Amino acid sequence: EPEVTQTPSHQVTQMGQEVILRCVPISNHLYFYWYRQILGQKVEFLVSFYNNEISEKSEIFDDQFSVERPDGSNFTLKIRSTKLEDSAMYFCASRDPTSNSQHFGDGTRLSIL
Amino acid sequence: GESVGLHLPTLSVQEGDNSIINCAYSNSASDYFIWYKQESGKGPQFIIDIRSNMDKRQGQRVTVLLNKTVKHLSLQIAATQPGDSAVYFCAERQNQGGKLIFGQGTELSVKP
Repeated sequence: EPEVTQTPSHQVTQMGQEVILRCVPISNHLYFYWYRQILGQKVEFLVSFYNNEISEKSEIFDDQFSVERPDGSNFTLKIRSTKLEDSAMYFCASRDPTSNSQHFGDGTRLSIL
Repeated sequence: GESVGLHLPTLSVQEGDNSIINCAYSNSASDYFIWYKQESGKGPQFIIDIRSNMDKRQGQRVTVLLNKTVKHLSLQIAATQPGDSAVYFCAERQNQGGKLIFGQGTELSVKP
């Protein structure tokens, strides 16, 4: 069964550094999403992406965040200057065009030191 | 405001019993709802979904019930197994773009 894959599984970065989280969505899906989950808290929406542009973003997704689909398969989340409070699990999801269900990857654990 | 370090509601059941996990959603305009299962170290795994024009949907060993009057969603798991132990989240879709709003989650613990 096709799945969403994310790399790396764990990223450790110094505060202030840039980080890029990578995702390969399911191939026939058209909508892509990033969510995050701070330890012990619920999953929070960050951004949705369709037709090569952002369709919606949350208050969390400020100017330090950006997303890109650099080629036909990858979908990336960049944080320009990381802060301690960016430490979280970051999940990528893509949406099945026939059923509308969103399928999630296993996430990248981002640890900011 | 947001709570830090939420304490998840916990449901503990015996293997073979039925489980019912409940969720209250926030937006009466939400048109689509999903239940996810999250095991430790993994991403949310799709279990079952339901559209707002339905009140019940059944899958394999799982049933979702939707009560729009009181904005309540439930997940029933029949003959619960140890492999069902996980955190279960409900999520609502608030617009056509697909943004999901997640509930706080319930931890299901199955005793053999």
